[in-house]
Amino acid sequence: KNEVEQSPQNLTAQEGEFITINCSYSVGISALHWLQQHPGGGIVSLFMLSSGKKKHGRLIATINIQEKHSSLHITASHPRDSAVYICAVKNSGGSNYKLTFGKGTLLTVNP
Amino acid sequence: DVKVTQSSRYLVKRTGEKVFLECVQDMDHENMFWYRQDPGLGLRLIYFSYDVKMKEKGDIPEGYSVSREKKERFSLILESASTNQTSMYLCASSLWGPAALISYEQYFGPGTRLTVT
Repeated sequence: KNEVEQSPQNLTAQEGEFITINCSYSVGISALHWLQQHPGGGIVSLFMLSSGKKKHGRLIATINIQEKHSSLHITASHPRDSAVYICAVKNSGGSNYKLTFGKGTLLTVNP
Repeated sequence: DVKVTQSSRYLVKRTGEKVFLECVQDMDHENMFWYRQDPGLGLRLIYFSYDVKMKEKGDIPEGYSVSREKKERFSLILESASTNQTSMYLCASSLWGPAALISYEQYFGPGTRLTVT
């Protein structure tokens, strides 16, 4: 069983919809990362958080440490948001570098 | 802006060939990583380096080696390429922190799609 589980695996939405992607993990963590990968390969970091909530433009990331759960929300979705969204965690107490990755959520936003 | 570049976007090699994948970062990051990404498996760490000439095995190091002779450059070597090494290879870099509780953002290169025939 993967230590990091994402849901859903695939998500199709209409432009303008509010989108939620979920990430659950089974280990104690010191930080959780949300990453975005567009077709063609390049990965960019969206958020790194260890508590509470962060917002950047139309993207919001929340984390509940007690429940070992994080969500990534996209408001007013747009076709350019179509990408794979990846959750990754850094185990607390471990090496400061290693991340454990979820398998990703493929989001398609139709115009 | 941090920039991580990889030597090739696409590469086709024959079984048994020695393959070099190069990665260069321009932000003086201590940490550099090599991952492979396969459908349904996500990102898996092959090797990691936290300093020049220093390396640590990741989750799937078999069939690979690495070299870090300069801080900005991290090379992945496939000594004898096999078809099961056909994959997307991604390099990343990050700062290094002294405490186990610290996590730093990783900056990724564009990836190299390697096909071994």
